[in-house]
Amino acid sequence: NAGVTQTPKFRILKIGQSMTLQCTQDMNHNYMYWYRQDPGMGLKLIYYSVGAGITDKGEVPNGYNVSRSTTEDFPLRLELAAPSQTSVYFCASSEGSGAFFGQGTRLTVV
Amino acid sequence: GQNIDQPTEMTATEGAIVQINCTYQTSGFNGLFWYQQHAGEAPTFLSYNVLDGLEEKGRFSSFLSRSKGYSYLLLKELQMKDSASYLCAAIHPGGGNKLTFGTGTQLKVEL
Repeated sequence: NAGVTQTPKFRILKIGQSMTLQCTQDMNHNYMYWYRQDPGMGLKLIYYSVGAGITDKGEVPNGYNVSRSTTEDFPLRLELAAPSQTSVYFCASSEGSGAFFGQGTRLTVV
Repeated sequence: GQNIDQPTEMTATEGAIVQINCTYQTSGFNGLFWYQQHAGEAPTFLSYNVLDGLEEKGRFSSFLSRSKGYSYLLLKELQMKDSASYLCAAIHPGGGNKLTFGTGTQLKVEL
């Protein structure tokens, strides 16, 4: 039972670099989400998707982009990394009665 | 919109009972969740309340009052491993089953 799998677990980026955080789920869930978690700030929704081919902005979408070409995969793209994007990123999936989270990606932008 | 409030931290003794409160202000409320998050780990699902009343699941129970915009998580027979952050989250109105989270309550269980 893999559940929600995120890669990489850790990454250090230089300012201005780009990267893609990968997320895949094997539960056939329609809903998928990307959150970021800063110390003492709780989880903030970046982007979400209600099904393949459909994505929408969450609370803090600036500086990020997503795609949902399949039910399983929901990658998050950072185009021009900034120090403000230093955070822990969590991908999650849901089918209504609670979200299941991946193990997180700890990203540092220097 | 959503405004979820919960205490920042609490301390309790091993074997005791602790209640973590959560209040929310929302229109179109559609469910209240509790998650547990140990340091450096992902949140894990504890409970879901959509109707008023108490839901019991082993040592953990969760209560909801929709008219008061209030929920609590009750932890009984506390163990050291219960030291963690407890996150209250509500389903965001507007579709998509989006969860809006409180900032979490850091619970420390002491001997």
